[in-house]
Amino acid sequence: KAGVTQTPRYLIKTRGQQVTLSCSPISGHRSVSWYQQTPGQGLQFLFEYFSETQRNKGNFPGRFSGRQFSNSRSEMNVSTLELGDSALYLCASSLVGRANSPLHFGNGTRLTVT
Amino acid sequence: AQTVTQSQPEMSVQEAETVTLSCTYDTSESNYYLFWYKQPPSRQMILVIRQEAYKQQNATENRFSVNFQKAAKSFSLKISDSQLGDTAMYFCASRDTGTASKLTFGTGTRLQVTL
Repeated sequence: KAGVTQTPRYLIKTRGQQVTLSCSPISGHRSVSWYQQTPGQGLQFLFEYFSETQRNKGNFPGRFSGRQFSNSRSEMNVSTLELGDSALYLCASSLVGRANSPLHFGNGTRLTVT
Repeated sequence: AQTVTQSQPEMSVQEAETVTLSCTYDTSESNYYLFWYKQPPSRQMILVIRQEAYKQQNATENRFSVNFQKAAKSFSLKISDSQLGDTAMYFCASRDTGTASKLTFGTGTRLQVTL
């Protein structure tokens, strides 16, 4: 069974640009969540999607958005990039999105904003 | 809001020895889940072990076990017979039943296993 796939693995963007990251969950998983990992702030929850609906959102500005498609694949978008958005973005999927349903993480997308 | 604290930024252990990583947490929830994740240089977060708060028995997965002290809000990870492949960042995390996929992570402990 294929794991969680995130593309691309690396991205370099310029301040002010926008970026879209993609996540394909494990087959059959309906919940997808996104996390930002930085040396300063650690791992922070961005948002979670379940059956194409955003179910939970972390404390991030509106520049960060996401969506989920009918096949459970998810994308997150960051507009008007800032230097502080440089981070490792991790996607995780779970079967049903309940607290006892283990999260399976992808390898992440490393975003560098210059 | 939940908080998770890992007070050991770095630890080192010799191969075949035992090491314990500390974690404390705070939550107002009555039911929640606790996890240890491992992040090797490949960047992928790998679930090591999980504990359901309503279960008093400490979870065990092969060489990994936890010491869950609910009253003290402590959740330490013990790695027995350490192997070179255990070298990684280890994150403690909590998740309450009301917020589904939202994990609250600690700051991590970098574990180095040496020969």
